[in-house]
Amino acid sequence: EDQVTQSPEALRLQEGESSSLNCSYTVSGLRGLFWYRQDPGKGPEFLFTLYSAGEEKEKERLKATLTKKESFLHITAPKPEDSATYLCAAPAGGYQKVTFGTGTKLQVIP
Amino acid sequence: NAGVTQTPKFQVLKTGQSMTLQCAQDMNHEYMSWYRQDPGMGLRLIHYSVGAGITDQGEVPNGYNVSRSTTEDFPLRLLSAAPSQTSVYFCASSQSNRDYEQYFGPGTRLTVT
Repeated sequence: EDQVTQSPEALRLQEGESSSLNCSYTVSGLRGLFWYRQDPGKGPEFLFTLYSAGEEKEKERLKATLTKKESFLHITAPKPEDSATYLCAAPAGGYQKVTFGTGTKLQVIP
Repeated sequence: NAGVTQTPKFQVLKTGQSMTLQCAQDMNHEYMSWYRQDPGMGLRLIHYSVGAGITDQGEVPNGYNVSRSTTEDFPLRLLSAAPSQTSVYFCASSQSNRDYEQYFGPGTRLTVT
């Protein structure tokens, strides 16, 4: 069964304290690995797509990396405005049949 | 561009009632999808469409119908509401390109009593 699993469920960081979020996947024939950000009461917002092991993408304080079994979202020197739930997802069983993880809720404290 | 719009934002239904959640996008995207989001379960795909006239089931399709008569609109119909359908519903659209970047609407919070 195709699965996307995220850890930790919640993460609390001091402003400036770097850390990483994990997304492990068991999806046959991986066609991409997506990262989204979701603020409370809003729809998810696209961040990155990664396609192959070794690939990296960056956006401001965020950097996403991909291995054959997992992806990491590294947050460098986070700010309070980075507080959100970060979702990982992958297409499974078809390009539009996307499976999401349950997310990591990040809180950055000033 | 308004992006992806959803109406209503909030809805309360009684068990057995039917209703339609509206979704529209003005980006000329081919792909559209409906998800539900429940605490601890993440986003789950209900139905999706790869173009006008073409729809298919996702992970949790039971109790829901969709149709896609135009590129812009993708309504989700609840046939006979049940308390288990209490959730937040999101509509998303994307182009049929390699990135599969989905644009999500603001969501509809549905409560079934």
